[in-house]
Amino acid sequence: EAQVTQNPRYLITVTGKKLTVTCSQNMNHEYMSWYRQDPGLGLRQIYYSMNVEVTDKGDVPEGYKVSRKEKRNFPLILESPSPNQTSLYFCASTGGTGELFFGEGSRLTVL
Amino acid sequence: KQEVTQIPAALSVPEGENLVLNCSFTDSAIYNLQWFRQDPGKGLTSLLLIQSSQREQTSGRLNASLDKSSGRSTLYIAASQPGDSATYLCASSGSARQLTFGSGTQLTVLP
Repeated sequence: EAQVTQNPRYLITVTGKKLTVTCSQNMNHEYMSWYRQDPGLGLRQIYYSMNVEVTDKGDVPEGYKVSRKEKRNFPLILESPSPNQTSLYFCASTGGTGELFFGEGSRLTVL
Repeated sequence: KQEVTQIPAALSVPEGENLVLNCSFTDSAIYNLQWFRQDPGKGLTSLLLIQSSQREQTSGRLNASLDKSSGRSTLYIAASQPGDSATYLCASSGSARQLTFGSGTQLTVLP
């Protein structure tokens, strides 16, 4: 089954404690991306990757890092999380036609 | 910078009605436009993808149209059902595959 898998689904952490949200897709897609969804602000793109070792900033990259060492994995790294990064995060991969496949989301709370 | 607007923000209709959701975008140089459905606490599910060269796409009771010249897309839902209740989001994709999302229309179909 074609899918995008994110982990963890729920996480509560404290300010400054580094964390990583993993994302994996089994569709051999080249393009992957991360979004955050906040009430009243909608979905905003954090980072995207057009292929292995190729990443670029989206609209709201501050405070985040990503890496793309393998085609299937695209982890999102928060080196020093702050409360304003409390949000619902989605990973997505894009097929050849441009159709997006989203993960189930990761709800992060930073205290 | 692309801006995507969805009106209305919320819509409530009785079961069986046909309805139209609206999406407008400011930059007509889009790669494609997609409609998604999001259920509470869940990820986004792709409903329809319209390439920039297409005028409409259909899937079951759903029909999406695209008018690039006027910067508008509509999602038509025929014979609505309570199971259609969800938030519907549209997103435009530029040439670099960066997506810009609207803030969504929350649809409630009353039995």
